[in-house]
Amino acid sequence: EVQLVQSGAELKKPGESLKISCKTSGYKFTSYWIGWVRQMPGKGLEWMGLIYPRDSETRYSPSFQGQVTISADQSITTAYLQWSRLEASDTAIYYCARRITLFGVVAAAFDIWGQGTMVTVSS
Amino acid sequence: DIQMTQSPSTLSASVGDRVTITCRASQSVSTLLAWYQQRPGKAPKLLIYKASTLESGVPSRFSGSGSGTDFTLTISSLQPDDFATYYCQQYSSYSTFGQGTKLEIK
Repeated sequence: EVQLVQSGAELKKPGESLKISCKTSGYKFTSYWIGWVRQMPGKGLEWMGLIYPRDSETRYSPSFQGQVTISADQSITTAYLQWSRLEASDTAIYYCARRITLFGVVAAAFDIWGQGTMVTVSS
Repeated sequence: DIQMTQSPSTLSASVGDRVTITCRASQSVSTLLAWYQQRPGKAPKLLIYKASTLESGVPSRFSGSGSGTDFTLTISSLQPDDFATYYCQQYSSYSTFGQGTKLEIK
């Protein structure tokens, strides 16, 4: 069974750093892009970016470029999303998701999703 | 950025009804469009990709159509599990989601 299992909820203070994880299983990790999607409280979905674990190529939405870093570790089939300095506006649920295979475009639909990680940033 | 606009924002319907949700793109996305269902407190679930291709395991009462800038998601006969929020997603130029359509019980 293909699964993406995310790390647990986080409560952080403004200015702190954070790295959340997305552990994958049940498929070949290096063959699919993994993406991250933000959902602020009571709001819709926002596409943040993607990583291709085979070579760590990353693509970011212009809205999130420079604000977060996406990475992956092939040895433990895990993708990461990290912040160097959190702000209150980063409070949201963050989902990782597997991108379906599609050539010729950066993004594509996500067929398997993690359960989400709630990040709360408050002083 | 390509903007995606869904209508209506909220839709009230009854079990057994046929409903249609519309998604409009600010510029052509060809057929590079997906639809998701999100239940409260849960992750989104892929229903349709490439505008009209049904994801494996999704009931056939769900269907998608359209190309270019105008797309529709149709549920032919609403079931109790279908009351949720629905999102469209374009992936022609990076990716953006619509603002969502909440399907409520009338």
